[in-house]
Amino acid sequence: AQSVTQLDSQVPVFEEAPVELRCNYSSSVSVYLFWYVQYPNQGLQLLLKYLSGSTLVKGINGFEAEFNKSQTSFHLRKPSVHISDTAEYFCAVTLQDAGNNRKLIWGLGTSLAVNP
Amino acid sequence: DTEVTQTPKHLVMGMTNKKSLKCEQHMGHRAMYWYKQKAKKPPELMFVYSYEKLSINESVPSRFSPECPNSSLLNLHLHALQPEDSALYLCASSRIGNLGDEQYFGPGTRLTVT
Repeated sequence: AQSVTQLDSQVPVFEEAPVELRCNYSSSVSVYLFWYVQYPNQGLQLLLKYLSGSTLVKGINGFEAEFNKSQTSFHLRKPSVHISDTAEYFCAVTLQDAGNNRKLIWGLGTSLAVNP
Repeated sequence: DTEVTQTPKHLVMGMTNKKSLKCEQHMGHRAMYWYKQKAKKPPELMFVYSYEKLSINESVPSRFSPECPNSSLLNLHLHALQPEDSALYLCASSRIGNLGDEQYFGPGTRLTVT
């Protein structure tokens, strides 16, 4: 079955420390990969996306992610986090099956808590 | 303008009421989406409209009825809901509806069914 796995449901980190949020997807014909952020009581906002080309993608707010096709991963990183980065982070992947049918699959989310 | 607006922000309704959620975007996007999101969970896709036609219905109960009056507007009509339908309802739009474009989300309507 097609799936997207966010390996950590919660990540506590101190301010100014680096952080990595992990995302793996099931082996298939992956098409597009996304990271979205949801701040408390708000809708979702795109952080970054991978469509093609360079496997290192830079997004907003200092985040970046690396697409690794052999490991079917798309991990999100930030070298130095701020209190304001406290939020829920969702990895989403558009997967395409053998019949060329596309489906957008969401990970369960990672709750990032940045402490002073 | 990269904003998706949703009204109302909050809605409390009884199980026999009829209400509607509204969504609007002025980015020229041709695809619009309804999602349901429970607390601390990912959004669950309900409906996708592409070029004003319903292209995806994720087996949503008929008590939820979507409508796309034009390319900028999306409504979700609610009737005879159950308490388990209480959730955050998110609207989103994208340039096209092939699930390959980034989606722009509205702030959501928090629905409580009593």
